[in-house]
Amino acid sequence: KAGVTQTPRYLIKTRGQQVTLSCSPISGHRSVSWYQQTPGQGLQFLFEYFSETQRNKGNFPGRFSGRQFSNSRSEMNVSTLELGDSALYLCASSLGTGKAKLFFGSGTQLSVL
Amino acid sequence: AQSVAQPEDQVNVAEGNPLTVKCTYSVSGNPYLFWYVQYPNRGLQFLLKYITGDNLVKGSYGFEAEFNKSQTSFHLKKPSALVSDSALYFCAVRDMDTGFQKLVFGTGTRLLVSP
Repeated sequence: KAGVTQTPRYLIKTRGQQVTLSCSPISGHRSVSWYQQTPGQGLQFLFEYFSETQRNKGNFPGRFSGRQFSNSRSEMNVSTLELGDSALYLCASSLGTGKAKLFFGSGTQLSVL
Repeated sequence: AQSVAQPEDQVNVAEGNPLTVKCTYSVSGNPYLFWYVQYPNRGLQFLLKYITGDNLVKGSYGFEAEFNKSQTSFHLKKPSALVSDSALYFCAVRDMDTGFQKLVFGTGTRLLVSP
């Protein structure tokens, strides 16, 4: 069974640009969550999508957005990039029920110059 | 609000010795506790979880964790450390009652196992 796939693996952007990250969950998983990992702030929850609907959101500015498609694949978009957006962005998938565990992808390393 | 605390930034242990990585939690509902491990330039790998039941939970790679409700702790343990266990370890909590998948992570503890 294939794991969680995130593309691209690495990205380099400049300030003011926008970026789209992609996540393909494990087959059959309906929930996709996104996390930002930085050395200073650690792992922080961005948002969760379940059956194409955002059902939980973290404390991030509106520049961070996402969506989920009918096949459960998810994209995350960051507009007007800032230097502080440099981070490892992790996607996690799960069945979406209360006792389900999360499976993480290897992440997308975003560098903003 | 849910939270977890990992009081040690780093734990050093010699290979073959037992190891403990500490975690304490705070939740309003029923805790759903996890340990994940992260190797360099990789995502998080699941080690073990606690929902209900036995307070001693066994997980992957010989790791186990002890749930202590009175001390609100969920320490990760291994009887005999390996050099390959060197990595970053995260404790996390989720409020099981909501059904939401949001995990609240601790700050992480770097484990260094010396030969």
